[in-house]
Amino acid sequence: KNEVEQSPQNLTAQEGEFITINCSYSVGISALHWLQQHPGGGIVSLFMLSSGKKKHGRLIATINIQEKHSSLHITASHPRDSAVYICAVKASGNEKLTFGTGTRLTIIP
Amino acid sequence: NAGVTQTPKFQVLKTGQSMTLQCAQDMNHEYMSWYRQDPGMGLRLIHYSVGAGITDQGEVPNGYNVSRSTTEDFPLRLLSAAPSQTSVYFCASSYGDGTYEQYFGPGTRLTVT
Repeated sequence: KNEVEQSPQNLTAQEGEFITINCSYSVGISALHWLQQHPGGGIVSLFMLSSGKKKHGRLIATINIQEKHSSLHITASHPRDSAVYICAVKASGNEKLTFGTGTRLTIIP
Repeated sequence: NAGVTQTPKFQVLKTGQSMTLQCAQDMNHEYMSWYRQDPGMGLRLIHYSVGAGITDQGEVPNGYNVSRSTTEDFPLRLLSAAPSQTSVYFCASSYGDGTYEQYFGPGTRLTVT
């Protein structure tokens, strides 16, 4: 079993829909990252969180440490949100990151 | 600031050839890492460095060498390319370990024939 599991693997939605992408992990962590990889290939950091909730524009990230689960929400989705969203965790006592396999999101106009 | 830069963007090698992938950052970050990205798999750590003169192995280090002579540069050397090294390679940097925001380069797509 991978340390970091994302669901769904693929998600297609209509423009304007509310999107939820999930990330579950199996180890104690000190940080969780959400990253976005656009079709051109570049990877950018969206959020880093260790508790609670963070919001940036239409994106919201939440984490439940006890349940070892995080969600990334996109409100009022837009075709430009089409990308692969990657979850990564830093396990406690380990300075390195472990990455999920990503969720491919496609927003149809 | 240019952020994290990588060269080349694309490269085709024949089996057995060697080459160096370049990575540089201008943010004075101590931590730098090399990852490979393969279809259906998460990013996997090849080598990383916590500062100039210090490097360590990641999850998949075989067939790769690194050095860190300056804070800015972290080149990745393929010693004798194999088809299994066909992948997309990303360099990343941060102020510290995984509890800091990560900055990624644009990637290098490498094909070994």
